[in-house]
Amino acid sequence: SQQGEEDPQALSIQEGENATMNCSYKTSINNLQWYRQNSGRGLVHLILIRSNEREKHSGRLRVTLDTSKKSSSLLITASRAADTASYFCATDLYGNNRLAFGKGNQVVVIP
Amino acid sequence: NAGVTQTPKFRVLKTGQSMTLLCAQDMNHEYMYWYRQDPGMGLRLIHYSVGEGTTAKGEVPDGYNVSRLKKQNFLLGLESAAPSQTSVYFCASTPVTSGIVDTQYFGPGTRLTVL
Repeated sequence: SQQGEEDPQALSIQEGENATMNCSYKTSINNLQWYRQNSGRGLVHLILIRSNEREKHSGRLRVTLDTSKKSSSLLITASRAADTASYFCATDLYGNNRLAFGKGNQVVVIP
Repeated sequence: NAGVTQTPKFRVLKTGQSMTLLCAQDMNHEYMYWYRQDPGMGLRLIHYSVGEGTTAKGEVPDGYNVSRLKKQNFLLGLESAAPSQTSVYFCASTPVTSGIVDTQYFGPGTRLTVL
């Protein structure tokens, strides 16, 4: 079963706008990760946030984690056309870093 | 470093044929994983390995076998391919630093079609 569920599933924005995606999960986690997948390519790791962290930044990315609500959000600020991709959240559900991935959130940034 | 590489990139099989997908990593990572990705879906774990000579089942292991004879290689085998195995297959690896597993590094994928 899919642990992470992203919301919304598809997002279309203008270049320069911010994009926000949410992810919910069902059970306790050690960490939550966000990955990006460009069309036809492998996944690229964006950011990892551990269960004892509430917010993390990496460049134009900001991730928050609310363990009480079992949810996370990914914010991309000042979006660019190159940010067009699918974004997946993944949780360390079973140990040994066996990740459970959500179905993905397709983001289209219009130049 | 080449990172994680997968061979082949594309393959078309007929039902009942067998094949082996090769994953190689040159980062000396301990853990390796095989996933499949179907349209509109996230990745689902097929098998994984926490070290040379060890393998374990993931979420969807049926119809697949794996081997990790060398630390840098992780092979995924389909003994008798079925159309339901048409998918894109991704390999990933991860280091273990101070006993903590971390980011997964993915290969570019193998697109498999079973007719």
